[in-house]
Amino acid sequence: ILNVEQSPQSLHVQEGDSTNFTCSFPSSNFYALHWYRWETAKSPKALFVMTLNGDEKKKGRISATLNTKEGYSYLYIKGSQPEDSATYLCAFHAGNNRKLIWGLGTSLAVNP
Amino acid sequence: NAGVMQNPRHLVRRRGQEARLRCSPMKGHSHVYWYRQLPEEGLKFMVYLQKENIIDESGMPKERFSAEFPKEGPSILRIQQVVRGDSAAYFCASSPPLKFEAFFGQGTRLTVV
Repeated sequence: ILNVEQSPQSLHVQEGDSTNFTCSFPSSNFYALHWYRWETAKSPKALFVMTLNGDEKKKGRISATLNTKEGYSYLYIKGSQPEDSATYLCAFHAGNNRKLIWGLGTSLAVNP
Repeated sequence: NAGVMQNPRHLVRRRGQEARLRCSPMKGHSHVYWYRQLPEEGLKFMVYLQKENIIDESGMPKERFSAEFPKEGPSILRIQQVVRGDSAAYFCASSPPLKFEAFFGQGTRLTVV
């Protein structure tokens, strides 16, 4: 059984705080790790697709790192803004299988 | 390029009726995935299709559920004889032939009464 774990489950921060959350996934048969951002009443939107151990990706104030040997990825948000409030999901690709195995997400609320 | 289009957005069915959920992938995308989100749970994979073929249906319940992606027209997820436990949000995603990044539709929220 492939499990993807995300922590924390939810997070409340003040505007301007920097924050990070974790995604743990099976370290064997790794192919790719995806991060998605999901706002209420909208569809999940892709943030990053990461494939190589040691990968670091950045988009504005959001960045992610990947460690495939130990099976974890961190997502960082620098200087959180209220518009960052959303659920952040990670999803794991095993082997060459297009099926995504999803974590339950980290729900972030940024208070102004 | 319009995004992934799902319809209807909301669907109410009585127990025993059939539900048909439609998904039009983005232009140029030949891979379609269906996911289900049950209340208080995360996204769960149901089925992965390419044009006219089911590639992986390991997440589909064995009975009452079927999916198709015909040569022409949208992908259809069909649930026969719906029960209360089928109430969920059903999301469709599509991806282009050589990439794994999936683009999601806004989902169909099915309520069985």
